[in-house]
Amino acid sequence: AQSVSQHNHHVILSEAASLELGCNYSYGGTVNLFWYVQYPGQHLQLLLKYFSGDPLVKGIKGFEAEFIKSKFSFNLRKPSVQWSDTAEYFCAVNDGDYKLSFGAGTTVTVRA
Amino acid sequence: IAGITQAPTSQILAAGRRMTLRCTQDMRHNAMYWYRQDLGLGLRLIHYSNTAGTTGKGEVPDGYSVSRANTDDFPLTLASAVPSQTSVYFCASSLQGGSTEAFFGQGTRLTVV
Repeated sequence: AQSVSQHNHHVILSEAASLELGCNYSYGGTVNLFWYVQYPGQHLQLLLKYFSGDPLVKGIKGFEAEFIKSKFSFNLRKPSVQWSDTAEYFCAVNDGDYKLSFGAGTTVTVRA
Repeated sequence: IAGITQAPTSQILAAGRRMTLRCTQDMRHNAMYWYRQDLGLGLRLIHYSNTAGTTGKGEVPDGYSVSRANTDDFPLTLASAVPSQTSVYFCASSLQGGSTEAFFGQGTRLTVV
């Protein structure tokens, strides 16, 4: 089974600051990569996904992520966060099987 | 109905009782999943189904069972609830497994006392 590591458990930052959340996975073959967001009291929603092609993918709400195969990483970034970005962020990986493996999640708190 | 519907939204359950969490999707997705979400552990897969009539075990299947009699419904049953099953349970579906996006329900908050 895949192992997915998210480096930060809780990130606190001010509005307009830049955000980068780390994600590493264990599988060395072809993978499908996802970032999901869970706003307080809500279900998970897809932010962005990478299947193939350009390793820099853009998602909703100004988020982007870069797939670096040599580092087994898929880090999430946003140049300037807003208070409404306060949420929990999950990295997920699929290696072609039916199962998605999730990281433990990173709680992001943006202070106004 | 639009998307995935889970019921109940929340439940307090006495230990030893049987409980079925319901999940229905109207997107005609082939694959469906049950996850539990626990603080610091993220989401862990309990059971999954690639298509109607088939099911498989995930990462933490013990104490849970599922069935997939048709495309739309994927109930999760706790035969005899224990306090360690206190969690938030999410049902999800995807058109196919793996490389397609998974859509999640609103979750069921279950407390076993």
